[in-house]
Amino acid sequence: KAGVTQTPRYLIKTRGQQVTLSCSPISGHRSVSWYQQTPGQGLQFLFEYFSETQRNKGNFPGRFSGRQFSNSRSEMNVSTLELGDSALYLCASSLVGAGEKLFFGSGTQLSVL
Amino acid sequence: AQSVTQPDIHITVSEGASLELRCNYSYGATPYLFWYVQSPGQGLQLLLKYFSGDTLVQGIKGFEAEFKRSQSSFNLRKPSVHWSDAAEYFCAVGEPGGTASKLTFGTGTRLQVTL
Repeated sequence: KAGVTQTPRYLIKTRGQQVTLSCSPISGHRSVSWYQQTPGQGLQFLFEYFSETQRNKGNFPGRFSGRQFSNSRSEMNVSTLELGDSALYLCASSLVGAGEKLFFGSGTQLSVL
Repeated sequence: AQSVTQPDIHITVSEGASLELRCNYSYGATPYLFWYVQSPGQGLQLLLKYFSGDTLVQGIKGFEAEFKRSQSSFNLRKPSVHWSDAAEYFCAVGEPGGTASKLTFGTGTRLQVTL
């Protein structure tokens, strides 16, 4: 069974631009969550989607948004990029249910210049 | 607000030596507890998790962790470390009864293994 796939692997953008990251979950997984990882702040929860609906949200500004499609694939978008948005963005998928384990992708490394 | 503390930023052990990585949490009730490992350039992989029951939890790759309610701790252990265990280790907590998707992670402990 294929793992969680994130594209692209690397991305370079300039301040003010917007970016869209993609995540394909493991087949059969209906929950997709996103995390931002930076050396300074560590791993921080962005949001979770389940059945095309945002189920949980972290403490990030409205510039960060996401969506989930009917096939459970998810995208996250960051508008008006800032230098501080440079990070590794990790997507994770899981089965439905309390405490189900997360399966992480390898991430998209975003650099904002 | 819940928080997770991993007091050791970096640990170096010799191959074959035992390992203990510390994790303390702050939460109103007993949360779901997890240990994840991240190799360079990779995502995170779950080593083990604790929800309830037996306080000694066995995980993959020979790791185990012990939940101690009185100390609000969930330390990770391995009796004999292998060079391939060199990675970054993250302790995380989740809301009991909730999904495992919204986790609060510690800052991580980087493990270096010397031969």
